[in-house]
Amino acid sequence: GQNIDQPTEMTATEGAIVQINCTYQTSGFNGLFWYQQHAGEAPTFLSYNVLDGLEEKGRFSSFLSRSKGYSYLLLKELQMKDSASYLCAPAPGNFNKFYFGSGTKLNVKP
Amino acid sequence: DAGVIQSPRHEVTEMGQEVTLRCKPISGHNSLFWYRQTMMRGLELLIYFNNNVPIDDSGMPEDRFSAKMPNASFSTLKIQPSEPRDSAVYFCASSSQESLGSPLHFGNGTRLTVT
Repeated sequence: GQNIDQPTEMTATEGAIVQINCTYQTSGFNGLFWYQQHAGEAPTFLSYNVLDGLEEKGRFSSFLSRSKGYSYLLLKELQMKDSASYLCAPAPGNFNKFYFGSGTKLNVKP
Repeated sequence: DAGVIQSPRHEVTEMGQEVTLRCKPISGHNSLFWYRQTMMRGLELLIYFNNNVPIDDSGMPEDRFSAKMPNASFSTLKIQPSEPRDSAVYFCASSSQESLGSPLHFGNGTRLTVT
């Protein structure tokens, strides 16, 4: 089975930096995905980490520590359009199964 | 690339009626997933297929739910009979599974309301 833990909600100011954490326990591990979901829309792929360390992609970066079962998504220079839910999804040993965390709702304020 | 296509976008039905949700995955993707999303339970994996074969349906809530994938370009999720607690957004997603980093691509979802 899987245990995925994320904060329920966060608030940050436009232009600031915010870090969204995810801890997980899986039976086997084949990398971790982050998805963004705007209200009323489908989740969309943001990033994938399979090795430890930081992966940077523009304003968004994702970090993974496999030994700690921990990942975070770092959003820089926040914009209002970044207001969304961010979902963490570790891919377990049985690679085909994708379970998602409950998501972190990020509110960006002016 | 048209993306994953789901129909209908919205479905309102009365308790006891049969509901059929449809999904066309991205051409060439060999894995297909059905999810259900509610405020209370988040995004739940119901069932997934690999090469049109159901691999794991342990997430299907009960016998009222069934899913089929008769060919590589079409899948259905059926609820019979429907109940108010089935009200949710149902997402279909597909993946190429070419490598470990192959992400899921989601359809726009079907918002189901059972009264």
